[in-house]
Amino acid sequence: NAGVTQTPKFRILKIGQSMTLQCTQDMNHNYMYWYRQDPGMGLKLIYYSVGAGITDKGEVPNGYNVSRSTTEDFPLRLELAAPSQTSVYFCASSYGTGWANIQYFGAGTRLSVL
Amino acid sequence: TQLLEQSPQFLSIQEGENLTVYCNSSSVFSSLQWYRQEPGEGPVLLVTVVTGGEVKKLKRLTFQFGDARKDSSLHITAAQPGDTGLYLCAGEGTGNQFYFGTGTSLTVIP
Repeated sequence: NAGVTQTPKFRILKIGQSMTLQCTQDMNHNYMYWYRQDPGMGLKLIYYSVGAGITDKGEVPNGYNVSRSTTEDFPLRLELAAPSQTSVYFCASSYGTGWANIQYFGAGTRLSVL
Repeated sequence: TQLLEQSPQFLSIQEGENLTVYCNSSSVFSSLQWYRQEPGEGPVLLVTVVTGGEVKKLKRLTFQFGDARKDSSLHITAAQPGDTGLYLCAGEGTGNQFYFGTGTSLTVIP
């Protein structure tokens, strides 16, 4: 069982370039999330999805876009990369237990915008 | 935005010492989770607390959820070098969103 898989693991972009960070999960979880983590800090929510075809903005959505065409995949799109988007990006999926949602994280994508 | 503040931000202790990490907010959460993150990896869930006043133990780790479900603490007894890492709390708010704390970086010196 692979869990949450993120690709690529590392990427360097030039200012103004675009790219898509891929995230896929094989646990049939309805909920999926994208976070960014700056050095030594906690995680900030970019976008999340409660199911296929449904996405919502989190705390820091500006400069990003997402789509959720299938339960398994939740790609994150950067259209015009800026130095402020240099960060580590984590994808997560979760399931509800009836009393709480349990999140599982991917290993992250380390992005530098130069 | 529902803010979660963790203290201390950094902690360096000797092996065998005890420590407590705090996670405080002015917001109420339906559940609160604690994660440990090692360099180059994603956070790994340690525990979820749901009920106000709840206490959970995981070997040498004790987690407590405040009575008002706004704050939590993590106590580690007899810390070991393997406990080194970044500890994150996260509150589950409305709309299935999670709000993460600022993190506590723990170093246990052998």
